[in-house]
Amino acid sequence: DIQMTQSPSTLSASVGDRVTITCRASQSISIWLAWYQQKPGKAPKLLIYKASSLDRGVPSRFSGSGSGTEFTLTISSLQPDDFATYYCQQYNSYPYTFGQGTKLEIK
Amino acid sequence: QITLKESGPTLVTPTQTLTLTCTFSGFSLSISGVGVGWIRQPPGKALEWLALIYWDDDKRYSPSLKSRLTITKDTSKNQVVLTMTNMDPVDTATYYCVHMDYDSTESNFYYYYMHVWGEGTTVTVSS
Repeated sequence: DIQMTQSPSTLSASVGDRVTITCRASQSISIWLAWYQQKPGKAPKLLIYKASSLDRGVPSRFSGSGSGTEFTLTISSLQPDDFATYYCQQYNSYPYTFGQGTKLEIK
Repeated sequence: QITLKESGPTLVTPTQTLTLTCTFSGFSLSISGVGVGWIRQPPGKALEWLALIYWDDDKRYSPSLKSRLTITKDTSKNQVVLTMTNMDPVDTATYYCVHMDYDSTESNFYYYYMHVWGEGTTVTVSS
């Protein structure tokens, strides 16, 4: 199985900050990576697929980059609605695997 | 608009078999390229992929759970059913079904990601 490791596990930031979350794969997954946002008690929501493609309706302050084994999710200017947990997930091969999540908290 | 909704028991006893149904709208599982998957999330923990089924009835399972899982589809009812045998308290989780979308390459390989999620259904395993 491909292991996905996110860092940091928790991130404290303020509204307006630029933040970056990193996701590393235990082997190359090319560009087949997605990012999801999950708020407490809610289902995850797709933000980014194919490492850098924004899903429809996702604000442009979100961006993704990377290929191979290292990927990043960047929020250019944090908004109050962005405080949530973020997961990366590889879909290069079965079994699909997720990172352990990064909780973005208000500082 | 694509929507999915999970249904099933909220409480099962250990060793029982869990049956969950995903009822969806806005797409058809009889159309080429379509897939539906299941993911679960234990309380306070990360997401775990369980299984998925494609329009052509191809099925994929998590290797760690494969012996306990069965996924089927009923295209006439727009439903996908997941059964999990021999339930244990560690299977307590919220179970989500998802619509799978895909990227394709020039060499006609398809890569499926989790596009639209249902709201989830919480299952507790306890005697």
